[in-house]
Amino acid sequence: DTAVSQTPKYLVTQMGNDKSIKCEQNLGHDTMYWYKQDSKKFLKIMFSYNNKELIINETVPNRFSPKSPDKAHLNLHINSLELGDSAVYFCASSQVRGLSKETQYFGPGTRLLVL
Amino acid sequence: SQQGEEDPQALSIQEGENATMNCSYKTSINNLQWYRQNSGRGLVHLILIRSNEREKHSGRLRVTLDTSKKSSSLLITASRAADTASYFCATGSMDSSYKLIFGSGTRLLVRP
Repeated sequence: DTAVSQTPKYLVTQMGNDKSIKCEQNLGHDTMYWYKQDSKKFLKIMFSYNNKELIINETVPNRFSPKSPDKAHLNLHINSLELGDSAVYFCASSQVRGLSKETQYFGPGTRLLVL
Repeated sequence: SQQGEEDPQALSIQEGENATMNCSYKTSINNLQWYRQNSGRGLVHLILIRSNEREKHSGRLRVTLDTSKKSSSLLITASRAADTASYFCATGSMDSSYKLIFGSGTRLLVRP
């Protein structure tokens, strides 16, 4: 009964490859997020989708492309992977109500290592 | 730049002692949230305090919010070894529904 799930949990790949990370939530939330956590545990928002519509796109290289086929799924595709992309990527979801920032529920993370 | 800054960066205490972590932020907020992250895991929501609240309790957790000083504190009373984790505050500005900005985190070690 995992609320927010991500696959894969670990991803080790070579520089220059293209890879995808998948996220699914079964909470019925309308908003999903991708965060990147670096080696110093600094957690930064990358993207947010609300009802399949892109809401937030922080200054992320366009090698990163999110896709939301429906409001329960938000996938992240990364082209031409670079060493600096190595990090833990977290998916999260929440139910947004007006300007109130409600609790976000996080997935377990995908640990990406680019060699 | 990062909205929230947390203090201390690391804290080591003996089981049974209280742990206090502080968070400062820069802009007007709708609410402030605290999350816990165990090693190798995702973040788990602990408590949310709204901008019109000054103090909130949940079990052994006590959160205060001082909007005039743009700061919050998280107190964990009677700490346990299982409380060992990183603790993050998260804030959102008034003008965006969708964005939470996380602080740099406090790494708490509770020694048995």
